[in-house]
Amino acid sequence: NAGVTQTPKFRILKIGQSMTLQCTQDMNHNYMYWYRQDPGMGLKLIYYSVGAGITDKGEVPNGYNVSRSTTEDFPLRLELAAPSQTSVYFCASSYSIGGLKGEQYFGPGTRLTVT
Amino acid sequence: DQQVKQNSPSLSVQEGRISILNCDYTNSMFDYFLWYKKYPAEGPTFLISISSIKDKNEDGRFTVFLNKSAKHLSLHIVPSQPGDSAVYFCAASGEGSNYKLTFGKGTLLTVNP
Repeated sequence: NAGVTQTPKFRILKIGQSMTLQCTQDMNHNYMYWYRQDPGMGLKLIYYSVGAGITDKGEVPNGYNVSRSTTEDFPLRLELAAPSQTSVYFCASSYSIGGLKGEQYFGPGTRLTVT
Repeated sequence: DQQVKQNSPSLSVQEGRISILNCDYTNSMFDYFLWYKKYPAEGPTFLISISSIKDKNEDGRFTVFLNKSAKHLSLHIVPSQPGDSAVYFCAASGEGSNYKLTFGKGTLLTVNP
């Protein structure tokens, strides 16, 4: 299993440009998440999904959009990039079976700079 | 308002000694706690977890203790090894939260040979 994969690893955007961060997991996890980590800070939840076709906002959703058309993929879209979106973005996935919680597995991250 | 707090940004210990990383939380609805380890330029990796129905969970060199009345948990690493040098994040989730995690800011552990 590759686990959680993210592309690209690095990206530099100009203010006002848009892009999509890709995330794929091959563990058949039903839950998927997007976080951002700013320097010296913990991870903050942007959006999450509890299954294909179902998404919801996290703590810091403004400026982002997501979709979940398949179990495996959970892309994050940035529209009109702003310098405040300069961060490292992590995608994660987890399972839930009968109410039992599983830990989240993280991808390697995408380092995004907006200038 | 930080619901999960790691008040020590960094900790330095000698190889072979015990490392103790601390975490406090304010939300009494949290019922599941996790520790993640993160190396530079990598994603966080799961280390150990504990449910609120327990007060201790052990996995090899790693033990997590939970004190619900004090809303405090700690991670003990014994013995510490240089390869344990990383940033450690405490995280918590609550019932009905769709397993969303709230993270602390992390503690940088340095284990000196």
